[in-house]
Amino acid sequence: GEDVEQSLFLSVREGDSSVINCTYTDSSSTYLYWYKQEPGAGLQLLTYIFSNMDMKQDQRLTVLLNKKDKHLSLRIADTQTGDSAIYFCAERVSYGQNFVFGPGTRLSVLP
Amino acid sequence: SAVISQKPSRDICQRGTSLTIQCQVDSQVTMMFWYRQQPGQSLTLIATANQGSEATYESGFVIDKFPISRPNLTFSTLTVSNMSPEDSSIYLCSVQGQGGFGISYEQYFGPGTRLTVT
Repeated sequence: GEDVEQSLFLSVREGDSSVINCTYTDSSSTYLYWYKQEPGAGLQLLTYIFSNMDMKQDQRLTVLLNKKDKHLSLRIADTQTGDSAIYFCAERVSYGQNFVFGPGTRLSVLP
Repeated sequence: SAVISQKPSRDICQRGTSLTIQCQVDSQVTMMFWYRQQPGQSLTLIATANQGSEATYESGFVIDKFPISRPNLTFSTLTVSNMSPEDSSIYLCSVQGQGGFGISYEQYFGPGTRLTVT
């Protein structure tokens, strides 16, 4: 079955880079996503990557995909206090199918 | 991107009562989804709601407990029936974006409805 795993907590100092990791089990996953959830808020789509890509960069965000190892990472450059949130990794096997979410990584940014 | 609103944003309900949550999207979408996020947990899909057909429920969720309506392409409701404290969760509505040729790989979430059952 499908399963997505993430480490639950990450602490970084303001200005440093954050790297949030995710592993998934379904080798037929086609699309992989990163969502951000701030306290008391819904989920904000940050970025997504197709499985035929290795990397995607969007301003401070860099997504790396190692399809062989089924490993996805999200790097946030110059992490700010406003980046403190829970980050969810999610996979979708094909268009129209539901998502499988990871447990979320709580990122704390220390001054 | 799609803009999604939900009502109510939060509620505190008595055990045994029912609550209907509304989801409104600013554009027409084919598929709408309802998720549950229990305290400190990740998201779990409850059901998929397509306009003009009955909702499709995931394992562990049944229509009697979570009836869903989808009267048109911009609106859906989820009812949490005969509530118990175990139903205390955030309930989120979600839609897939509508891109070219009706295909989009983006999925958007509403702000959620925070339900507490006492």
